[in-house]
Amino acid sequence: DIQMTQSPSSLSASVGDRVTITCQASQNIRNYLNWFQHKPGRAPRLLISDASNLETGVPSRFRGSGSGTDFTLTISSLQPEDVATYYCQECDDLFTFGPGTKVDIK
Amino acid sequence: QVQLQESGPGLVKPSETLSLTCTVSGDSLTNYYWSWIRQSPGKGLEWIGYVYYNSGSTSYSPSLKSRVTISEHTSKSQFFLELRSVTAADTAVYYCARGKTRNALLRTWGQGTLVTVSS
Repeated sequence: DIQMTQSPSSLSASVGDRVTITCQASQNIRNYLNWFQHKPGRAPRLLISDASNLETGVPSRFRGSGSGTDFTLTISSLQPEDVATYYCQECDDLFTFGPGTKVDIK
Repeated sequence: QVQLQESGPGLVKPSETLSLTCTVSGDSLTNYYWSWIRQSPGKGLEWIGYVYYNSGSTSYSPSLKSRVTISEHTSKSQFFLELRSVTAADTAVYYCARGKTRNALLRTWGQGTLVTVSS
């Protein structure tokens, strides 16, 4: 089975900061990688599919990149509404999620 | 616009079967993958499995495969989760979701329903 790791597990940044979250797969998953945003009490939201395709309605400050085993989610200018936990998920095998990265405002 | 709504008992006793329904409005089940996902308290997201409407084929997480059945009821625009022999570790918020392709399996989600396993 494919294992997914994320780093950091949590971060605190200021409004307007550039934020980077990394995700690593235990084996090559090509570009079969999604990113989700999950706010407490809400349904998770698909932000990015196929490693870099921004979903409709997702602000352009979110960007996904990477392929193979190493992936990155970047928020170019952190906004208060971006406070959430972010998960990567592989879609190449059994849809395993990463452990999540909790993002807060400093 | 499609909407998904989970429903079912909020409390299930240990060793019994957890049964949930996801009711779909605003679209048909045709040509989509229909999944269940859960989040245990303080934990991350866990994909449980899916049913693909067109073929009825299913896929399950290996860790739950022996206890899970996901099925659909076409005429009622519903699909179902059955999780047998539950324990306290199955306490979680359960979500249903749909996607057109495996690459975006979980594009649209329901709001989730909390199920507690306790005697």
